[in-house]
Amino acid sequence: DADVTQTPRNRITKTGKRIMLECSQTKGHDRMYWYRQDPGLGLRLIYYSFDVKDINKGEISDGYSVSRQAQAKFSLSLESAIPNQTALYFCATSEPGQVSSYNEQFFGPGTRLTVL
Amino acid sequence: KNQVEQSPQSLIILEGKNCTLQCNYTVSPFSNLRWYKQDTGRGPVSLTIMTFSENTKSNGRYTATLDADTKQSSLHITASQLSDSASYICVVSLRTSYDKVIFGPGTSLSVIP
Repeated sequence: DADVTQTPRNRITKTGKRIMLECSQTKGHDRMYWYRQDPGLGLRLIYYSFDVKDINKGEISDGYSVSRQAQAKFSLSLESAIPNQTALYFCATSEPGQVSSYNEQFFGPGTRLTVL
Repeated sequence: KNQVEQSPQSLIILEGKNCTLQCNYTVSPFSNLRWYKQDTGRGPVSLTIMTFSENTKSNGRYTATLDADTKQSSLHITASQLSDSASYICVVSLRTSYDKVIFGPGTSLSVIP
């Protein structure tokens, strides 16, 4: 079984629709992240959460919201999707405190979202 | 401005050949540098990590180098295989109160028979 799973894997939607992308993990990590990836650009951080009660904005949080329902679940919502939110979205997890794995993030398989 | 640049943007090599990918960064305060491999349709997977005091790290046919003075890193792939076809992403972490990371845009490598 995959350690970090994302649903759906592909989604096509229309401008103005509300969309939720879901992420689940079985790694037992406290830290979870949402990124978007656009061609020619590095992954950009949308939101991150260090535990269930902690939610933080990343560098491109406008137009997005998140919910940390449990340690293992972190959802990303687009309240009113727009075409420039068409991208590949990745969820990731990490666990601090171990020098050898410091900052290593474990990524899900991604969700390809197209907003028409 | 904290930034990570990679070159070349894309590369095509013949199976069995070697290649070197470059990463330049302007990130401060520096904590560590990772190279990730991202296969098409998959999430990135860590290949190597190097801290400030390390200047080389190997993982099988992958060897990463780090020059913290010039803020440059390279990833050398030896005896390339078709399965090496992927995007290689350089990621630099900042030494801050949380694990902030800066991703490079990646180099797309195609290994052809």
